[in-house]
Amino acid sequence: DGGITQSPKYLFRKEGQNVTLSCEQNLNHDAMYWYRQDPGQGLRLIYYSQIVNDFQKGDIAEGYSVSREKKESFPLTVTSAQKNPTAFYLCASSIGQTNSYEQYFGPGTRLTVT
Amino acid sequence: DAKTTQPNSMESNEEEPVHLPCNHSTISGTDYIHWYRQLPSQGPEYVIHGLTSNVNNRMASLAIAEDRKSSTLILHRATLRDAAVYYCILRDPHSGGYQKVTFGTGTKLQVIP
Repeated sequence: DGGITQSPKYLFRKEGQNVTLSCEQNLNHDAMYWYRQDPGQGLRLIYYSQIVNDFQKGDIAEGYSVSREKKESFPLTVTSAQKNPTAFYLCASSIGQTNSYEQYFGPGTRLTVT
Repeated sequence: DAKTTQPNSMESNEEEPVHLPCNHSTISGTDYIHWYRQLPSQGPEYVIHGLTSNVNNRMASLAIAEDRKSSTLILHRATLRDAAVYYCILRDPHSGGYQKVTFGTGTKLQVIP
């Protein structure tokens, strides 16, 4: 089955630790995205990548970093510089770089930092 | 950026039709109207999109006003599995680069058995 996988589903970390969230897709999509969702809120874009070895900051990139070394993988690192890292993180991908294509979302990773 | 406005919440009885409204009075001529929905604790899923004409697919129908300043997502027979947050967003395929689309708070649909 084609799709997007995110692991783990739940993640717990101590404050001050960096943590990396995994996102893999086997849809052969060029573009990939990371969103953050807080309780009762909409989605906010953290980073996006339109092609391998290239990525751009979204609206709330501070305290996060990404890499795109392979087409199918777009890991997100939540660094200790992120002031409020506890949230639901969603990865998505789309076929092309234009805005007419629908985005396919993964199941999400719920990160709790204490 | 063109914005959309949706009611915060709506209720529907099971097996009855549901009409979810979306206002987008500042829509441009090349903006497509997209709808996504998000079930609890899951990622959003694509529902439908359109430009000017009404659209139908296996999940829903999209009715677009003649002046395109509003649209309505229609679920023909609501089921309990349709209880979700529904997002209406605008996307312009002709804009340069990636358009930073904002998923707002959407409409939370409650389906009553």
